[in-house]
Amino acid sequence: QQQVKQSPQSLIVQKGGISIINCAYENTAFDYFPWYQQFPGKGPALLIAIRPDVSEKKEGRFTISFNKSAKQFSLHIMDSQPGDSATYFCAATPGNGGATNKLIFGTGTLLAVQP
Amino acid sequence: DAGITQSPRHKVTETGTPVTLRCHQTENHRYMYWYRQDPGHGLRLIHYSYGVKDTDKGEVSDGYSVSRSKTEDFLLTLESATSSQTSVYFCAISLRGTINALGNEQFFGPGTRLTVL
Repeated sequence: QQQVKQSPQSLIVQKGGISIINCAYENTAFDYFPWYQQFPGKGPALLIAIRPDVSEKKEGRFTISFNKSAKQFSLHIMDSQPGDSATYFCAATPGNGGATNKLIFGTGTLLAVQP
Repeated sequence: DAGITQSPRHKVTETGTPVTLRCHQTENHRYMYWYRQDPGHGLRLIHYSYGVKDTDKGEVSDGYSVSRSKTEDFLLTLESATSSQTSVYFCAISLRGTINALGNEQFFGPGTRLTVL
């Protein structure tokens, strides 16, 4: 119940296309869902996050779509650029419950945007 | 980078030796975390701290210990390093409980690449 399942493992998209990465969770106590972007040799960087009281959140070219009933959420990167090539991680956590607030991470998606 | 530094950034050591990694933050955050990152596993929580001298285990804590004697420093110790502990180690802080936090926003340091021969 503590898992977050992420797919696909890798993704190749043409410049200008839409990149879509999906995650699924089981624990209904999760109520904070961030996405992280990581470039080689760097730490993960928080990209965008959502709470389940909204179905979509958009920041620039990045959009999170959230389906509470299906327990799924996805990251959409519009007009993908070569500079978006990185590894993307989804994560989930109980937002306010307990002292720990552990983030549970997906296994990552390696995105390559071809020029 | 949320004012997080990690030291050393790279380390090569031999099996059986003790190793200590340091995480330092400058913004007085209460919550701090140690993760390891390995191919195919994403990021896995080793230990975390919710205050000075308050720590607890994560999902992969065997072979690791931590200490937090002051707010700004969180130390991760490998008591007797093994080859299976070769990994990239990340420290993180959480904004949980702060005014502008949406939830458990965590910000990561630059990482320490540890190789155990």
